Amino acid sequence: GENVEQHPSTLSVQEGDSAVIKCTYSDSASNYFPWYKQELGKRPQLIIDIRSNVGEKKDQRIAVTLNKTAKHFSLHITETQPEDSAVYFCVTGGGNKLTFGTGTQLKVEL
Amino acid sequence: DTGVSQDPRHKITKRGQNVTFRCDPISEHNRLYWYRQTLGQGPEFLTYFQNEAQLEKSRLLSDRFSAERPKGSFSTLEIQRTEQGDSAMYLCASSLTRTDTQYFGPGTRLTVL
Repeated sequence: GENVEQHPSTLSVQEGDSAVIKCTYSDSASNYFPWYKQELGKRPQLIIDIRSNVGEKKDQRIAVTLNKTAKHFSLHITETQPEDSAVYFCVTGGGNKLTFGTGTQLKVEL
Repeated sequence: DTGVSQDPRHKITKRGQNVTFRCDPISEHNRLYWYRQTLGQGPEFLTYFQNEAQLEKSRLLSDRFSAERPKGSFSTLEIQRTEQGDSAMYLCASSLTRTDTQYFGPGTRLTVL
């Protein structure tokens, strides 16, 4: 089955700095790559997604890149704010179930 | 609120008891998914329905677990003879099509004593 590896597991940045989270996956059939943000005690919420026919996508301060050949994808958050503090999950999908990475705890310090 | 809802939000039970959780998806969504999330981990897929048909079950879904979606709307997940290892957050999600975004509910936190 699919295996999604995510790093780092924790990331601490100063407010205004950028944060980068990287993931690798194993199943070449994966064609959907969403990122979910989960605040403590809350539901996972989609923040951005990218499909396999696109290499990069940006939405305001958030951008994702995908390298299907290398099976890598990453999340970039610029100008981080305290409200960005949460756990971020990279995820792969092949049309049915989603496979989540192990998560990155992002802490944005004032 | 037109999002995915789950009931109850918290459940404490004793080992060996049966529990049942309910999920109400977004009204027009024909796909419904169940995931389990343990502390410090990402959600893990359990099973999914397209309308009333259960199309895939994970190996995580032992014989003690059963899920239904009788009319293609709400779904129930039942755990029989609960064990302490069943303690987790049980999340439900729904989507409109196979390639569409999955929207998650708030989850049911199960604690087995």
